[in-house]
Amino acid sequence: AQTVTQSQPEMSVQEAETVTLSCTYDTSESDYYLFWYKQPPSRQMILVIRQEAYKQQNATENRFSVNFQKAAKSFSLKISDSQLGDAAMYFCAYRAPNKFYFGSGTKLNVKP
Amino acid sequence: EAGVAQSPRYKIIEKRQSVAFWCNPISGHATLYWYQQILGQGPKLLIQFQNNGVVDDSQLPKDRFSAERLKGVDSTLKIQPAKLEDSAVYLCASSPPGGGNTGELFFGEGSRLTVL
Repeated sequence: AQTVTQSQPEMSVQEAETVTLSCTYDTSESDYYLFWYKQPPSRQMILVIRQEAYKQQNATENRFSVNFQKAAKSFSLKISDSQLGDAAMYFCAYRAPNKFYFGSGTKLNVKP
Repeated sequence: EAGVAQSPRYKIIEKRQSVAFWCNPISGHATLYWYQQILGQGPKLLIQFQNNGVVDDSQLPKDRFSAERLKGVDSTLKIQPAKLEDSAVYLCASSPPGGGNTGELFFGEGSRLTVL
């Protein structure tokens, strides 16, 4: 069965610093997508970054990048130059072939 | 492009009452999902539609929850009778046929239910 595990319920980072959120997943599929979603308090869940499993190159989106280790089934999110607006719940998600599985989330606090 | 629309945003009811939530997905999105998100937890899939057919409803408590997607467009999720443990945010999401180019889900703002 596919599962997604986020082992860090809560993390804190100083503004302008870098933080890494961890995610591991379990699957027997070879072709799938991985995502990080951001959910600000009482706000809509939005996509931060995605990675196709067949791509070896790690995805980047401005200050957000991932470290995708397919063999280890690991998919961490690095946020550089953290900003106050980055404070939110972050969910790791896995998709294959037409079903999504979400982790339990990591609450990120950003300290000014 | 209009996003996923949900209503109402907030609802407070007494236990044993009924409630209905509505979702209109992004135009052209064949797949529609209803998730339940309890405070502090990740979204849990309740039901997944492909057009107007049910793909997965294995985690839908069918004794009290029902959902329909008439004409393969908008959808309604109903709870009757509500229990205290149904207090949660109900998220609707949609995706294009086959996942589209990005494979991502597009979420609505959610409907927050409080059962007293």
